[in-house]
Amino acid sequence: AQSVAQPEDQVNVAEGNPLTVKCTYSVSGNPYLFWYVQYPNRGLQFLLKYITGDNLVKGSYGFEAEFNKSQTSFHLKKPSALVSDSALYFCAVSHSGTYKYIFGTGTRLKVLA
Amino acid sequence: DSGVTQTPKHLITATGQRVTLRCSPRSGDLSVYWYQQSLDQGLQFLIQYYNGEERAKGNILERFSAQQFPDLHSELNLSSLELGDSALYFCASSADLAGGYEQYFGPGTRLTVT
Repeated sequence: AQSVAQPEDQVNVAEGNPLTVKCTYSVSGNPYLFWYVQYPNRGLQFLLKYITGDNLVKGSYGFEAEFNKSQTSFHLKKPSALVSDSALYFCAVSHSGTYKYIFGTGTRLKVLA
Repeated sequence: DSGVTQTPKHLITATGQRVTLRCSPRSGDLSVYWYQQSLDQGLQFLIQYYNGEERAKGNILERFSAQQFPDLHSELNLSSLELGDSALYFCASSADLAGGYEQYFGPGTRLTVT
């Protein structure tokens, strides 16, 4: 069975500081990992994904994520947070043996001016 | 703009009624997913279709059903509506069936059951 966990309901960070939103996963097989962002009253937007290759993945709006196989983690990062990054962030997992997606419960990011 | 369209944007109806939500996927995408998002339950996967066939089922109630038509648009039918069905319903599409494809989400339909 596959699962994904986002251990923090909310993350607060000051504008200009680095941010990290955590995600851990459990799959049997090679994981496919995704990050999505949701702004108020909007659908989710794809940010980035890891399928294979380089463990550091770069995505939209300056975000990046690091795949760590030993820690089964895929944390989302950004070197310098903007107020406009404030949103709900979802991690999702699938794997090579299935076409099912599992979304995490979401982490609300608040960037304070 | 993701290229996925959903209608209507808002729907207000009474308990016991039936509604139909419509989704058109991105041009060329064969796979359609339906999700329910409520305040206290996050994003719940309901059902997936690929090229007209049902491929995966999640936490979809028996009162709910869906289909994907030959032109690839999809409809989600919700019947015998209850207050607890009030939520945002999202449709998403992806290029293929395999798990490595990202999904593109529509703007959602906000359903309010009174």
